Amino acid sequence: QSALTQPASVSGSPGQSITISCTGTSSDVGGYNYVSWYQQHPGKAPKLMIYDVSSRPLGVSNRFSGSKSGNTASLTISGLQAEDEADYYCSSYTNSRGIFGGGTKLTVL
Amino acid sequence: QVQLQESGPGLVKPSGTLSLTCAVSGASISSDNWWTWVRQSPGKGLDWIGEISHSGSANYTPSLKSRVTMSVDKPRNQFSLKLSSVTAADTAFYYCATLYCSSTSCYYPGWGQGILVTVSS
Repeated sequence: QSALTQPASVSGSPGQSITISCTGTSSDVGGYNYVSWYQQHPGKAPKLMIYDVSSRPLGVSNRFSGSKSGNTASLTISGLQAEDEADYYCSSYTNSRGIFGGGTKLTVL
Repeated sequence: QVQLQESGPGLVKPSGTLSLTCAVSGASISSDNWWTWVRQSPGKGLDWIGEISHSGSANYTPSLKSRVTMSVDKPRNQFSLKLSSVTAADTAFYYCATLYCSSTSCYYPGWGQGILVTVSS
């Protein structure tokens, strides 16, 4: 399986909304609701933000939401805040193997 | 909540074997979770290395399969990674993580803080 495809970077101003896409195939993203999203600040470990396409773990802000259409999943962050500036990775799981996207750097202008 | 902590040498010589351990707390390694290793080359993205169950069943990424061995130590509630014949390309931050997977759900709820392993003479 190849890595999932994400844009290298996105940016937005405080208060705005941004969306990060994650494109796979019918064998991974499109075939199962196993899409999850992780936030990673510099020098820190990844943190689970969304699982099962659109579910939020306890403690994660409701400004973070997820969706999926066909082979593409999306992470939307509304009401951008400075603390949201980080790298974001999507992930899926198929054929007894984990797959990650290449990562998207979010810059809050 | 499960907590994970990597440990091991931060420097490995070329052609040597990288050995890391992940201590698990807040959960039993004998649970139904899968125990995973992910690495990240400096400035790059996350790469899945492989996973192991409490019974010792393991899955590895094809590109590393010939060099990777994972194991579980139930009495110590920890699991381990060995990567042989390392080169500079194996220099990376290595993370251990737990995979929760069911018929309708698969995700990584817990991660270790990561450990930088440098391959250099």
